[in-house]
Amino acid sequence: QMQLQQSGPGLVKPSETLSLTCTVSGGSISSVTFYWGWIRQPPGKGLEWIGSMYYSGNTYHNPSLESRVTISVDTSKNQFSLNLSSVTAADSAVYYCARQNNGWIFDRWGQGTVVAVSA
Amino acid sequence: SSELTQDPAVSVALGQTVRITCQGDSLRSFYASWYQQKPGQAPVLVIYGRNDRPSGIPDRFSGSNSGDTASLTIAGAQAEDEADYYCNSRDRGGTHLVFGGGTKLTVL
Repeated sequence: QMQLQQSGPGLVKPSETLSLTCTVSGGSISSVTFYWGWIRQPPGKGLEWIGSMYYSGNTYHNPSLESRVTISVDTSKNQFSLNLSSVTAADSAVYYCARQNNGWIFDRWGQGTVVAVSA
Repeated sequence: SSELTQDPAVSVALGQTVRITCQGDSLRSFYASWYQQKPGQAPVLVIYGRNDRPSGIPDRFSGSNSGDTASLTIAGAQAEDEADYYCNSRDRGGTHLVFGGGTKLTVL
């Protein structure tokens, strides 16, 4: 069964870039069936879609974050990554990676990474 | 505010049936998916498509759609169903993805 394992720092300084990686096991990230997405959840708040990508490199992002978001893939490592630039305290959240099926169905999730933006 | 609107909180007596709704224009064109999230845990997909359940999800969970509203119904709610529930789908333009604000379900 496919699993997603997240890695990355839990603390990022204001104005710097948040970088997280999601490693896929039990299946190939190059599957034609799936997209791969990032979602975040600020403390005490709801889920927010950040963006998604296909193994070919095609990506699309939440318009509210688009100018700061980069999602990339490394098929050789079966990983995909999120970079969010120029972070502020408002970017503090739990970040999740997820497998995206049939357009918008997130059917496998990573364990989540708590990221705090603080000096 | 989200393009998908959910009631912030709903309660249900143990063993009774509860319906959680998600309203948005895009739901006239796209199905909603539903996720259950318990404190400190990642969300879990419980309903997708017209009314499909992933393996391992109890059959007391079901989904339905009418016009611009999608509903998640839990028939015979159990104590372990107490959680936050989120819907998601595409946005009005059909390009981007959106989540509802979430509904906190309390089982009394």
